[in-house]
Amino acid sequence: GPKVLQIPSHQIIDMGQMVTLNCDPVSNHLYFYWYKQILGQQMEFLVNFYNGKVMEKSKLFKDQFSVERPDGSYFTLKIQPTALEDSAVYFCASSFGTGSTGQLYFGEGSKLTVL
Amino acid sequence: AQSVTQPDARVTVSEGASLQLRCKYSYFGTPYLFWYVQYPRQGLQLLLKYYPGDPVVQGVNGFEAEFSKSNSSFHLRKASVHWSDWAVYFCAVSLGRVGSFNKLTFGAGTRLAVCP
Repeated sequence: GPKVLQIPSHQIIDMGQMVTLNCDPVSNHLYFYWYKQILGQQMEFLVNFYNGKVMEKSKLFKDQFSVERPDGSYFTLKIQPTALEDSAVYFCASSFGTGSTGQLYFGEGSKLTVL
Repeated sequence: AQSVTQPDARVTVSEGASLQLRCKYSYFGTPYLFWYVQYPRQGLQLLLKYYPGDPVVQGVNGFEAEFSKSNSSFHLRKASVHWSDWAVYFCAVSLGRVGSFNKLTFGAGTRLAVCP
């Protein structure tokens, strides 16, 4: 079936550094999402993105976070600067539409460890 | 605010036995409900989804779930579990309507182990 690819699968960085997580969504999808899962906790919605704009974001989407998808390339999540509490697995997802046409397809996750 | 509770963090069943994974939701309005599965080293995959209509929905690989408004539940069932069902199962709820942009609220997940 359709696949969402995430790069890297695991990244370890020092607190205060910048990190970019990359997502290659399903080719004809129009909506893109990031979810965050801290170890042992529930997966939580961060942000969704459509037509070059953030449509909705949660309180977890701090000012240090940003997303973009320049010209149909990777959909990226950038954190600058990182903090210890940013350590988590970040899941990218995409969908063709919303509502009944909005089935989400998820990637395998990018595990971020901030030291 | 909407929430999802999966009361069982871990369930162990014997291969061939029946299975029920529990999910309770808290939601104001008509929810759209989902079960996702995450196999080892893979992303989440949709098992089945409920949109308002028939309360029993069929999914892939013999899974089904039943929506109960009175119990605020959406339990997942399978008549005969296979070893390949060993995975983590997530229940999720969303507004689902056009314009809601698929903002899913997930449960904590239930880790299913299958014994031979």
